[in-house]
Amino acid sequence: DADVTQTPRNRITKTGKRIMLECSQTKGHDRMYWYRQDPGLGLRLIYYSFDVKDINKGEISDGYSVSRQAQAKFSLSLESAIPNQTALYFCATSDSPFAGPSGYTFGSGTRLTVV
Amino acid sequence: AQTVTQSQPEMSVQEAETVTLSCTYDTSENNYYLFWYKQPPSRQMILVIRQEAYKQQNATENRFSVNFQKAAKSFSLKISDSQLGDTAMYFCAFMRQNTGNQFYFGTGTSLTVIP
Repeated sequence: DADVTQTPRNRITKTGKRIMLECSQTKGHDRMYWYRQDPGLGLRLIYYSFDVKDINKGEISDGYSVSRQAQAKFSLSLESAIPNQTALYFCATSDSPFAGPSGYTFGSGTRLTVV
Repeated sequence: AQTVTQSQPEMSVQEAETVTLSCTYDTSENNYYLFWYKQPPSRQMILVIRQEAYKQQNATENRFSVNFQKAAKSFSLKISDSQLGDTAMYFCAFMRQNTGNQFYFGTGTSLTVIP
């Protein structure tokens, strides 16, 4: 099984619908992140969490919300999807930074299309 | 704020040849980490190589090596003996030391290895 699992892998939804993207990990990492990837823009941070009680906004959090249900689970919600939220979404995890620069472990991404 | 610039949106290389992907960054920090990630058509994000800013020696991983020029804030990736499996999008990323809260990604370089 993958260390970081994202579901669904692909999703098409209609404008105005609520949708949740889920992420679970078996790495035992405290830190979890949600990024979106758009062509020509790279990856941009939406939200991040250092533990269950610590949720932080990233640079593009408007229109999104998150829930850290457990150390291993971090969900991203679009309360009312709009077409410009069409993107590839990645969940990632990392060790405490004091453990060394191990970088992120990424999930395989969720491709979301809002029509 | 940190910015990461990849000025080559697309590149191509003949199989078995060498190619260099460019990355520059802007930061006022002295201690940080730099990474190259590979994203093949499967869209999985794969860590290729990482460099700690305090280390003068350039990192190498098999056919992949970096040219890290701290004063110039440059971090290029050299791929030797290019293989068809190297065809992918490559992202340069920056992380401040002892924070771990965010990577800053470049916009990516799409590399095609030509048979």
